[in-house]
Amino acid sequence: GAGVSQSPSNKVTEKGKDVELRCDPISGHTALYWYRQSLGQGLEFLIYFQGNSAPDKSGLPSDRFSAERTGESVSTLTIQRTQQEDSAVYLCASIPDPVRFSGGPSRSYEQYFGPGTRLTVT
Amino acid sequence: GQQLNQSPQSMFIQEGEDVSMNCTSSSIFNTWLWYKQDPGEGPVLLIALYKAGELTSNGRLTAQFGITRKDSFLNISASIPSDVGIYFCAGHTGTASKLTFGTGTRLQVTL
Repeated sequence: GAGVSQSPSNKVTEKGKDVELRCDPISGHTALYWYRQSLGQGLEFLIYFQGNSAPDKSGLPSDRFSAERTGESVSTLTIQRTQQEDSAVYLCASIPDPVRFSGGPSRSYEQYFGPGTRLTVT
Repeated sequence: GQQLNQSPQSMFIQEGEDVSMNCTSSSIFNTWLWYKQDPGEGPVLLIALYKAGELTSNGRLTAQFGITRKDSFLNISASIPSDVGIYFCAGHTGTASKLTFGTGTRLQVTL
């Protein structure tokens, strides 16, 4: 079946411009995550959506970053007034049925990633 | 944010050799996952571990969930060129909403 898709695959923008990145999760997946991966680095958590609950925004690096998700569908990550340090690959991941407590069913924490959007701020 | 420590950071190996890498944490995790990331792609899940002491295989890959629940190991046997990539470990506490990812091990295979 279709996996997580992200668009655009590449985005080059000028410093100070706003950008919007899109993520289409796997159909039926209730939870969605955004990560940032700088060149040669690991994954930095940005934000987490679970159903209709309030999102966990604890990873957003500044108030220039925001994200929205309507229900269990598409999510958009917006970066306002982009800076050169925002250049990175932005990855989206979804999982089907997260369980918040230990002892839950298997596969509940297995995140499925999209191919990412490579953002370059010039 | 918090990250797990992976070692080695990078390694060059000869095709056909076995590979070992590990991931350590100062915190206890209830789930360990291992991912592989190819250039220009998102990470792909290789193995998931849900029980301390668990040893799980997926083809030439074998991973173990450490008894202390603070570490995990990934072994690749008889490496081939397509094993090239970055391997990430990730841990979940069971109560938090997100995974904690390792710093990655970059694997390069020479013919």
